[in-house]
Amino acid sequence: DAGVIQSPRHEVTEMGQEVTLRCKPISGHNSLFWYRQTMMRGLELLIYFNNNVPIDDSGMPEDRFSAKMPNASFSTLKIQPSEPRDSAVYFCASKDLGSTEAFFGQGTRLTVV
Amino acid sequence: DAKTTQPPSMDCAEGRAANLPCNHSTISGNEYVYWYRQIHSQGPQYIIHGLKNNETNEMASLIITEDRKSSTLILPHATLRDTAVYYCIVRVQTSGSRLTFGEGTQLTVNP
Repeated sequence: DAGVIQSPRHEVTEMGQEVTLRCKPISGHNSLFWYRQTMMRGLELLIYFNNNVPIDDSGMPEDRFSAKMPNASFSTLKIQPSEPRDSAVYFCASKDLGSTEAFFGQGTRLTVV
Repeated sequence: DAKTTQPPSMDCAEGRAANLPCNHSTISGNEYVYWYRQIHSQGPQYIIHGLKNNETNEMASLIITEDRKSSTLILPHATLRDTAVYYCIVRVQTSGSRLTFGEGTQLTVNP
């Protein structure tokens, strides 16, 4: 397996634009996590899904952020409209519900100018 | 999840053992201790976890005190590639539970 795949790896966008980050979890994994990492706040859990169902979205900063998992092999994190303070590295991770180890993707570095 | 406390940074000489401490004095009986690390510009990577017994795998050893209020991650022969931020996480090992990261310890392995 190629691991957790995130796209794009880098994204530069203008303030006010919509941004969509994508994640393909490891095949067979049924838990998926979205994290945001900044120097100021470290690694923050935004939302996680079990069996494609959002379980806890209390970390989502505000209504501009939304996440979906339409099927077991794909998830998106959307920011609309984007703001400069959304600039960060966004990580996706997946795990099997019965396993202890979560696997992380390489992240998407988002810059909003 | 119980709160953890780690030193912000540590140094270690290449080839020596790196001992990374973690305090988790409010840990509950059903909470496990997990360690992850994050090498610069990469996603976090699982290292090891344990409940109350000491654990060892190909990457590291985990020593948990008898009262479970603290633990130590040991990298027996640190290499330059072990330079990373190391996160100690305490969580319940129920299926699908959240994984929350603190500030971690920046370990720098020096030649």
